[in-house]
Amino acid sequence: DSGVTQTPKHLITATGQRVTLRCSPRSGDLSVYWYQQSLDQGLQFLIHYYNGEERAKGNILERFSAQQFPDLHSELNLSSLELGDSALYFCASSAPRDRGFNTEAFFGQGTRLTVV
Amino acid sequence: AQSVAQPEDQVNVAEGNPLTVKCTYSVSGNPYLFWYVQYPNRGLQFLLKYITGDNLVKGSYGFEAEFNKSQTSFHLKKPSALVSDSALYFCAVRDQTGANNLFFGTGTRLTVIP
Repeated sequence: DSGVTQTPKHLITATGQRVTLRCSPRSGDLSVYWYQQSLDQGLQFLIHYYNGEERAKGNILERFSAQQFPDLHSELNLSSLELGDSALYFCASSAPRDRGFNTEAFFGQGTRLTVV
Repeated sequence: AQSVAQPEDQVNVAEGNPLTVKCTYSVSGNPYLFWYVQYPNRGLQFLLKYITGDNLVKGSYGFEAEFNKSQTSFHLKKPSALVSDSALYFCAVRDQTGANNLFFGTGTRLTVIP
């Protein structure tokens, strides 16, 4: 168990809909990263939050947004969903308050999104 | 801009033979380098990291990796492959400047043949 919790594990929704994916980082970790993994593909970096603030954006579509709350959990919002958005979405946490960035990231089990 | 390259999509090796999974990186400044493994329908599991110090780092499940600054490489190795090592392996780099983002390579599928 990595200590990172993602909900839901599976999500099936129709095109045009909006969904919210949730991530609870490991206790004490300040950074949350979101990634998208399409079938047999690598991990596309979407966005990085650190201690409640957006740190950097990667290949994130304008239809997607995220935020990190004061309790450090994060949500990824996907709207106007298209068939091509079907993928595994991972979050990872890192950077415990007392150790900073010279630490590895720990991954959740992912949310498998299927858009039909 | 930082990036990671894994030149081989697929690596096949016989059980008991040594294995190498290649990774090269590009980053501003000194890199933090990582290897992860992904089993089917699972999240990524951390194997090992290079932050500073000894160029040869040892990790979980008998894996090790060698940091080579002049070649900007961080190849993953294991002296004797097991069938259970068959999985998808990802190399990652974190830049130490700016946003401290974590970028992954495209992954290498390792198949260990009994």
